[in-house]
Amino acid sequence: DSGVTQTPKHLITATGQRVTLRCSPRSGDLSVYWYQQSLDQGLQFLIQYYNGEERAKGNILERFSAQQFPDLHSELNLSSLELGDSALYFCASSARGGSSTDTQYFGPGTRLTVL
Amino acid sequence: GQNIDQPTEMTATEGAIVQINCTYQTSGFNGLFWYQQHAGEAPTFLSYNVLDGLEEKGRFSSFLSRSKGYSYLLLKELQMKDSASYLCAVRGDNAGNNRKLIWGLGTSLAVNP
Repeated sequence: DSGVTQTPKHLITATGQRVTLRCSPRSGDLSVYWYQQSLDQGLQFLIQYYNGEERAKGNILERFSAQQFPDLHSELNLSSLELGDSALYFCASSARGGSSTDTQYFGPGTRLTVL
Repeated sequence: GQNIDQPTEMTATEGAIVQINCTYQTSGFNGLFWYQQHAGEAPTFLSYNVLDGLEEKGRFSSFLSRSKGYSYLLLKELQMKDSASYLCAVRGDNAGNNRKLIWGLGTSLAVNP
């Protein structure tokens, strides 16, 4: 158990809908990262937040948005869902903002299925 | 551009030793990570190298050569439960948008009895 929690574990929805994925980092960690992993694909970095502020951005679609709240939990919002958005979505956390030794610890993921 | 290369698949026998290679080209270098990921599960942290040389951690060791842009993960006394994908990730320049990790696609290791 990494100490990172994600809810829900599974989510099934229809095209065009909007969903929210939630992540709570390990106690004391200030950074949260979101990743997408499609079937047989590598980890795609979406976005990083550090202490409430956006820190780094990857290949995040405009239909997707995220935020980190004062209690450091984070939410990833996915809207106008398409079939291709079906994937595992992982949240990771780290102690700091990405210094050399900063290690990311991953949550169990949310499996999103868009029908 | 920034790039990480790993073999796509490897096969080994229970009890044997296997070496999984990773080569990288990144803008700057601030550390290399290895993660293990079982199918459908989260990646779990295995090792971190920032200086040249070998880091040993039980049955797993990781080696780094910064001048060659090369790392390997060595798994000894293979067990069936080691069947998983092994991900190599590099942190490049530690500034701005480059502080994010660059991830390889992973090496799928199958351990056979």
